[in-house]
Amino acid sequence: EDQVTQSPEALRLQEGESSSLNCSYTVSGLRGLFWYRQDPGKGPEFLFTLYSAGEEKEKERLKATLTKKESFLHITAPKPEDSATYLCAVQHSNYQLIWGAGTKLIIKP
Amino acid sequence: AAGVIQSPRHLIKEKRETATLKCYPIPRHDTVYWYQQGPGQDPQFLISFYEKMQSDKGSIPDRFSAQQFSDYHSELNMSSLELGDSALYFCASSLGRGGTGANVLTFGAGSRLTVL
Repeated sequence: EDQVTQSPEALRLQEGESSSLNCSYTVSGLRGLFWYRQDPGKGPEFLFTLYSAGEEKEKERLKATLTKKESFLHITAPKPEDSATYLCAVQHSNYQLIWGAGTKLIIKP
Repeated sequence: AAGVIQSPRHLIKEKRETATLKCYPIPRHDTVYWYQQGPGQDPQFLISFYEKMQSDKGSIPDRFSAQQFSDYHSELNMSSLELGDSALYFCASSLGRGGTGANVLTFGAGSRLTVL
């Protein structure tokens, strides 16, 4: 069964405390893995797309990596404005997106 | 840069009423997706359209219907509304359906439907 699991469900960090969010997946015919950021009451905002194992992408304090079974979103020296829910989605071979439940990240000043 | 425009932003309806949500994709985007997101839940895929034809169907109730028009905007029609239909409805658009860099989904701000 196609599935995307994100962990942890919630993560509280102090400002400047680096950590990683996990997205593990089982899906047939992976076309791509997406990371989105969602603020309360707003639509998901695109961060990264990863297509093949070993691929890495960076944007400011965020770095996404991909293996054949999981993806990590590393956040380095986070700031309070990085607080949001981070969603992982996998694009199936039939083009549909399978979403994880998200990780709620809270950065305390 | 132009984004995905959704209207209305907020809508309050009574049970058994009907509601219509509109979505205007990014210019030149030919694919539109509809998602429903309940409180604290991940977005649930409802339906998508590519070049004005239905391309994929997810967990869209039979009471709901949608279409994409010649100008690529899309409308989600919801009838016989139930309390459980209260949610954020997101529209997203992309250029094409293929798994390329151009297929990034860009989301609108969402329409919040409250059914009383």
